[in-house]
Amino acid sequence: EDKVVQSPLSLVVHEGDTVTLNCSYEVTNFRSLLWYKQEKKAPTFLFMLTSSGIEKKSGRLSSILDKKELSSILNITATQTGDSAIYLCARSSNYKLTFGKGTLLTVNP
Amino acid sequence: GAVVSQHPSRVICKSGTSVKIECRSLDFQATTMFWYRQFPKKSLMLMATSNEGSKATYEQGVEKDKFLINHASLTLSTLTVTSAHPEDSSFYICSASSGGRTDTQYFGPGTRLTVL
Repeated sequence: EDKVVQSPLSLVVHEGDTVTLNCSYEVTNFRSLLWYKQEKKAPTFLFMLTSSGIEKKSGRLSSILDKKELSSILNITATQTGDSAIYLCARSSNYKLTFGKGTLLTVNP
Repeated sequence: GAVVSQHPSRVICKSGTSVKIECRSLDFQATTMFWYRQFPKKSLMLMATSNEGSKATYEQGVEKDKFLINHASLTLSTLTVTSAHPEDSSFYICSASSGGRTDTQYFGPGTRLTVL
């Protein structure tokens, strides 16, 4: 059973749309939930959410951790073509990250 | 800040040879470095965790004699793929953490290994 499940696996939108990406995780030894953006190379860090910091925002991106539902969402408003990427969610346990399969977001002009 | 580099970015080698990949934290001291492997259209799979000055901890199913990891300093870790075979062809990514209470890992740009 996967410890981190992301949905949808892929998503195609038009510029200006708002998207919501989902991530659910297993609670065992949970420390934090991280979001990364991966374009052609390695992932770049977006947010880290913990029990003491369940909501983060940076520009058009924001993320919320729902401890009760064991899930997190990543919102992107007013999407741009440059937002096209794979968005990875990772659960931290014992300082190790377990990644979901990612959501491939394509933003068309 | 928090920049991690990897070298080389791309390598092609013959079957049976060994390949060394370097991972450096450029502007911070990385007490812990991680090595991942990513197959096309798949997520990152953790291979091993290395702490400076100690032996690496390998994930289940990863052969420690095949994937040699050395974390000789707080800014450098190396992964050597020994006697590489075509099935070792993959995208190898390292990440670094400054340790302490943070879980945030910063990733290098990755190395594309192709074994002929």
